[in-house]
Amino acid sequence: YELTQPPSVSVSPGQTASITCSGDKLGDKYACWYQQKPGQSPVLVIYQDSKRPSGIPERFSGSNSGNTATLTISWAQPMDEADYYCQAWDSTTVVFGGGTKLTVL
Amino acid sequence: EVQLVESGGGLVQPGGSLRLSCAASGFTFSSYWMHWVRQVPGTGLVWVSHINNDGSDTKYADTVKGRFTISRDNAKNTLYLQMNSLRAEDTAVYYCARHGSGSGISFDSWGQGTRVTVSS
Repeated sequence: YELTQPPSVSVSPGQTASITCSGDKLGDKYACWYQQKPGQSPVLVIYQDSKRPSGIPERFSGSNSGNTATLTISWAQPMDEADYYCQAWDSTTVVFGGGTKLTVL
Repeated sequence: EVQLVESGGGLVQPGGSLRLSCAASGFTFSSYWMHWVRQVPGTGLVWVSHINNDGSDTKYADTVKGRFTISRDNAKNTLYLQMNSLRAEDTAVYYCARHGSGSGISFDSWGQGTRVTVSS
């Protein structure tokens, strides 16, 4: 099973960034998203398609339908610049997307 | 505060062995499934293995099956990864991660990682 993400996404500060994650019938599974900044460990920002862990700003939201899960970052801030990974469970194995580098400039 | 601290990484020759440890604190370790995830620097995340809360059920990625063994000691709040027959392609930073709440699988807490280098 494979999850496909765009290698890079750019957004201007204050605008909305959308990062997609595509996989066969991904909408039938639960997707989650991680943020990873250089030299740091990943941080869970969205789980179970659209839920935010405690401490994650409301600017982060998620959706999952059909073959695509989407992470949306509203009012993007320079601090949001990072790599983002989607992840799903495919009955026997955990699969990560290849990651998307978000640039805020 | 949830803390996961990995140790045991280092330089090992191809065919060699290493045992990684992950010391957990700040939560009831025995109530959570735990995972190992690895990352070659500059590339993406790859799930390696998981273990259920009492250690009775384990799963592995195909790339490590038969070579790696995940285990846990709930009395010591510690997760382990025994890595045998190591290959150059096992070189990576290894993270332990706590299984998150909710449906599906997610990792809600991660350690800082321990680096494993397999090279002669």
